[in-house]
Amino acid sequence: DQQVKQNSPSLSVQEGRISILNCDYTNSMFDYFLWYKKYPAEGPTFLISISSIKDKNEDGRFTVFLNKSAKHLSLHIVPSQPGDSAVYFCAASEGNDMRFGAGTRLTVKP
Amino acid sequence: DAGVIQSPRHEVTEMGQEVTLRCKPISGHDYLFWYRQTMMRGLELLIYFNNNVPIDDSGMPEDRFSAKMPNASFSTLKIQPSEPRDSAVYFCASSLGAGGPRGEQFFGPGTRLTVL
Repeated sequence: DQQVKQNSPSLSVQEGRISILNCDYTNSMFDYFLWYKKYPAEGPTFLISISSIKDKNEDGRFTVFLNKSAKHLSLHIVPSQPGDSAVYFCAASEGNDMRFGAGTRLTVKP
Repeated sequence: DAGVIQSPRHEVTEMGQEVTLRCKPISGHDYLFWYRQTMMRGLELLIYFNNNVPIDDSGMPEDRFSAKMPNASFSTLKIQPSEPRDSAVYFCASSLGAGGPRGEQFFGPGTRLTVL
């Protein structure tokens, strides 16, 4: 039972353009959402988060949008850089329960 | 702090052998998580501990898997006997609080397990 889904296993964008990574969830009780970034041979690292009481959170080139009615969140990276190439995991939590999506591999081409 | 430490980084073993993965969480963190990453299923939560006590082990695939946390600075994940389908990268993570604003998890570098 995958409560958090990332339906695109991979995404390729040109350097300088916008990258949009999407995530859908099924549990309406999730109240906190996070994005993690993972480079090869390393563990995931926290990137940005958003509480369910907000619909947008911005940190530099990274912005996370939350649409609670659609149970959908997205991560926007503008402008994309080659160093952003990594696997991005979406996560959602309800109290002590945190679930991760399967990840989306982003490739930013120079 | 050195972050979450996992050992070994790579493990190659033969089917039927016992495998023990080790984790040292960040000092002061009260939650410890074990995850498995595979191509098919992504990042799966296997078990997590709060203050050394197992809270939810519903993600443990079967009885061949067991996890312990004898103290606040050490945890093990054991597979006995191991099978080829156990081949994956196993991550340990720790956090201050399990969810919400305090729940950002810090991951170790992972152990890549290959069972032949």
